[in-house]
Amino acid sequence: DQQVKQNSPSLSVQEGRISILNCDYTNSMFDYFLWYKKYPAEGPTFLISISSIKDKNEDGRFTVFLNKSAKHLSLHIVPSQPGDSAVYFCAASDNTDKLIFGTGTRLQVFP
Amino acid sequence: SQTIHQWPATLVQPVGSPLSLECTVEGTSNPNLYWYRQAAGRGLQLLFYSVGIGQISSEVPQNLSASRPQDRQFILSSKKLLLSDSGFYLCAWKRQSGTVYGYTFGSGTRLTVV
Repeated sequence: DQQVKQNSPSLSVQEGRISILNCDYTNSMFDYFLWYKKYPAEGPTFLISISSIKDKNEDGRFTVFLNKSAKHLSLHIVPSQPGDSAVYFCAASDNTDKLIFGTGTRLQVFP
Repeated sequence: SQTIHQWPATLVQPVGSPLSLECTVEGTSNPNLYWYRQAAGRGLQLLFYSVGIGQISSEVPQNLSASRPQDRQFILSSKKLLLSDSGFYLCAWKRQSGTVYGYTFGSGTRLTVV
């Protein structure tokens, strides 16, 4: 059973515009959420995170929003750049030793 | 500084053959170690994790096994590979006392079972 879901397998955005990547989860015990970025043939790298006690966290061009009641989070990238083209994974933790990842969304930023 | 090594980078194996993927971490002691697999349409699936030597937790029933013979060594194995074992395998580590965003991933192994 997929506890963390990213329903959009791909997203295409023009350079300079906003990219919005979405993620839904089912486990109400999750209390920490993260976004990872992955290039082909490489390991994922940490991008940004948010604790369940917050509803927004911002780091430069990246902002993560959390809606606990809807069990939904999103990653906003503004403005989008061609170098942002990658697969983005949403991940969640329930304060155990495990990190549960979503299915990923492939973002393509075109000029 | 801490580094994580994973090898080989790519591997093509026939169905029914054995598998051994190795992951080592340098520059830290007593890390939590993880094996993930990225398969088409499945995202990053946690396969095994270990909080200490000889301690292995399995997350999904499968044709694979894991072992941790040394503190900083994590091995993923199979006695007989299946076509469905194809995928991109990633090793990761985290300090036991570290925060949840302290995961560091290796560069991965692309396994193709033919």
